[in-house]
Amino acid sequence: ELKVEQNPLFLSMQEGKNYTIYCNYSTTSDRLYWYRQDPGKSLESLFVLLSNGAVKQEGRLMASLDTKARLSTLHITAAVHDLSATYFCAVANTNAGKSTFGDGTTLTVKP
Amino acid sequence: EAGVTQSPTHLIKTRGQQATLRCSPISGHTSVYWYQQALGLGLQFLLWYDEGEERNRGNFPPRFSGRQFPNYSSELNVNALELEDSALYLCASSFRGYTTDTQYFGPGTRLTVL
Repeated sequence: ELKVEQNPLFLSMQEGKNYTIYCNYSTTSDRLYWYRQDPGKSLESLFVLLSNGAVKQEGRLMASLDTKARLSTLHITAAVHDLSATYFCAVANTNAGKSTFGDGTTLTVKP
Repeated sequence: EAGVTQSPTHLIKTRGQQATLRCSPISGHTSVYWYQQALGLGLQFLLWYDEGEERNRGNFPPRFSGRQFPNYSSELNVNALELEDSALYLCASSFRGYTTDTQYFGPGTRLTVL
């Protein structure tokens, strides 16, 4: 059974600092997703990573995928308060029609 | 383009009752997925419907069921509600019933069981 582990689960950082969230998964997969969720809201798709070595960037967020290591990272550069949210990685299960989610990383950016 | 819509936004029921949650996918999407986000349990896959058929279900008891209509909208039914069914239920849709297509999530229905 596919397992997805995220760490850290909670992250408090100061504005302007950099940090990385890690997502490890246990078996090979078609693709990996990163989502953002604000309190009480639904999931917003941030990135879709398809292949080994894929790197995508949007603003202060950059995601990468290493399929050999079964590891994806979400790097935050010069954090700002607006980035405070919970971030989930999710791994697609081949032919199962479902994504298996990590437990989420709750990010709090303080002034 | 309208996104995934869900109704109702909030639903309050008592133990033993039945709940019906509804989802309309993005136009052109044929697959609908249901997830449960319960406090402390994370996001758990519930059901996948594609072209009117149930294609896969997660580790949930049979009292969780649903269907997909000819217009690709979907309904999730939860019978004999238990307190632990209280959660945010998220619906997602994708263009095809394969994992190679991104799932777009709706705003969710918050179910509270008293």
